[in-house]
Amino acid sequence: NAGVMQNPRHLVRRRGQEARLRCSPMKGHSHVYWYRQLPEEGLKFMVYLQKENIIDESGMPKERFSAEFPKEGPSILRIQQVVRGDSAAYFCASSLAQAKNIQYFGAGTRLSVL
Amino acid sequence: DQQVKQNSPSLSVQEGRISILNCDYTNSMFDYFLWYKKYPAEGPTFLISISSIKDKNEDGRFTVFLNKSAKHLSLHIVPSQPGDSAVYFCAASESGNTPLVFGKGTRLSVIA
Repeated sequence: NAGVMQNPRHLVRRRGQEARLRCSPMKGHSHVYWYRQLPEEGLKFMVYLQKENIIDESGMPKERFSAEFPKEGPSILRIQQVVRGDSAAYFCASSLAQAKNIQYFGAGTRLSVL
Repeated sequence: DQQVKQNSPSLSVQEGRISILNCDYTNSMFDYFLWYKKYPAEGPTFLISISSIKDKNEDGRFTVFLNKSAKHLSLHIVPSQPGDSAVYFCAASESGNTPLVFGKGTRLSVIA
């Protein structure tokens, strides 16, 4: 299966812990995007990365959130000191460099903060 | 402020009839529009897209219409099938260099 792979599918954390969400893009895709979906809401853009570079992080909260897409390995979205309001579904998408408009999504990670 | 609006949270249609899902946008700089379908516990699946240089794009049972002057687009599904039951998201972007901006979605139920 050459689709976008996200893991874990479900993640439970207590307040104050760290959450790490992983995303492997589709084969051949060099652009990765992270979105967050709150209940009954649409997807909200967080960050856009290429290998080893953050291109656009205008949707990322200023504190506690960070993202990386290293040369080797998956993209990581890291949330430090989680709070209950971080509970949401986090989706990763990837695209080809020459077709950035058409993004293919993973199944998402559902984060629950207790 | 919501730049992409889907004003109908839900829609019910009988099998075999036409489903029409609507989407309005406020940012006149948007020039590329997409529809995604989402089943529960899955990620959004790309369905169909349209560039602002066109007013219609068709792919099988799915057709997207764009009215730039009204800042409105719609997705037509005909004939509707029970497997089309899902949440449909409208999304928009500027010149392929900005992130996708999504609407809140419309839940379509196709009744057999």
